[in-house]
Amino acid sequence: KQEVTQIPAALSVPEGENLVLNCSFTDSAIYNLQWFRQDPGKGLTSLLLIQSSQREQTSGRLNASLDKSSGRSTLYIAASQPGDSATYLCAVTNQAGTALIFGKGTTLSVSS
Amino acid sequence: DTGVSQDPRHKITKRGQNVTFRCDPISEHNRLYWYRQTLGQGPEFLTYFQNEAQLEKSRLLSDRFSAERPKGSFSTLEIQRTEQGDSAMYLCASRPLDTQYFGPGTRLTVL
Repeated sequence: KQEVTQIPAALSVPEGENLVLNCSFTDSAIYNLQWFRQDPGKGLTSLLLIQSSQREQTSGRLNASLDKSSGRSTLYIAASQPGDSATYLCAVTNQAGTALIFGKGTTLSVSS
Repeated sequence: DTGVSQDPRHKITKRGQNVTFRCDPISEHNRLYWYRQTLGQGPEFLTYFQNEAQLEKSRLLSDRFSAERPKGSFSTLEIQRTEQGDSAMYLCASRPLDTQYFGPGTRLTVL
């Protein structure tokens, strides 16, 4: 059974810092991995999707890497801003078209 | 706005009542998913449709839960005889290929 773990559960940083969020999964036979952002009481916004054959994806200040063999992904946020404060969720799918399996998320707080 | 929409956004009900939620996916997305999220947890999969066919149901989807997607467009999720443990955010997502696009969710509170 696939399990997804995110560390740390919470993180507080001052504005401007670079930071890394970690995600690990137990079954390396994934189809793809997706990072989401969730603001309090709201739905999820997709940030980056990495196919199993890819090593990383970048969007603006965000960079996500994938090491399928070790069952790990990281989300790197450069030059953090208060507007980045949110919960970040990592999710994997094991087959094309199937449901996402989520971690519990990392709640990020960026202070000005 | 052509994103995924959900209605209602909030629902408060008394234990034992039935509730129904609606999800309108992004048009042309043939796959639609329902998830449930409780406080401090990631979303958990409930059920999945490809067009009008319900292809997969989670063990979380007890007999009190039923979902439909009658014409392969919008979907409804009904919970019968609600219990306090049903209080959660119910999220809908749709996808054309790989990326799932989520709606804003319906927050259910069972008193």
